Amino acid sequence: QKEVEQNSGPLSVPEGAIASLNCTYSDRGSQSFFWYRQYSGKSPELIMFIYSNGDKEDGRFTAQLNKASQYVSLLIRDSQPSDSATYLCALNFGNEKLTFGTGTRLTIIP
Amino acid sequence: EPEVTQTPSHQVTQMGQEVILRCVPISNHLYFYWYRQILGQKVEFLVSFYNNEISEKSEIFDDQFSVERPDGSNFTLKIRSTKLEDSAMYFCASEEDEQYFGPGTRLTVT
Repeated sequence: QKEVEQNSGPLSVPEGAIASLNCTYSDRGSQSFFWYRQYSGKSPELIMFIYSNGDKEDGRFTAQLNKASQYVSLLIRDSQPSDSATYLCALNFGNEKLTFGTGTRLTIIP
Repeated sequence: EPEVTQTPSHQVTQMGQEVILRCVPISNHLYFYWYRQILGQKVEFLVSFYNNEISEKSEIFDDQFSVERPDGSNFTLKIRSTKLEDSAMYFCASEEDEQYFGPGTRLTVT
């Protein structure tokens, strides 16, 4: 049984600062890791995926994966009010169901 | 940019009625999924579909549920006799390497 743990928040970050979102998981066999953003009442939107240990950067977003510690994180630099949303961590073995965490609610304070 | 579409956006039905939720996946994707999200809870996997058959289903996906790909483009989820606890957002996702979600159908069972 895969478990994905996230701090539910809310996490409040001033505009322009770095937001750091964390996720731990129980199944060492997990191969693929995803961060989805979900605005209230909307569907999950894929913003980052990472398959290998280390960092992966895409614009203002950086995903970090440490398989030994079973830990994946998302950093958002230069946080904007439009980044206010719930961020969902998800994982799978590839071409199979995603297991989601409960999400972390992020609020960017102008 | 190709996207997953879902209809209807909102469905209200009476308990015991049948509903069909429709999805049009991204055209070159081969893997299709249904998830649901009860208000305030995490996104839960229902069923995955590949090569015109179910590849995995969750405990939630009991005999009341069925999926079909009636033609080359549509992917449907049928709930035969709805219960109050079926009220949720239902998301379709399609995958080539990562899963992309449709906008969802809000199902309200009264």
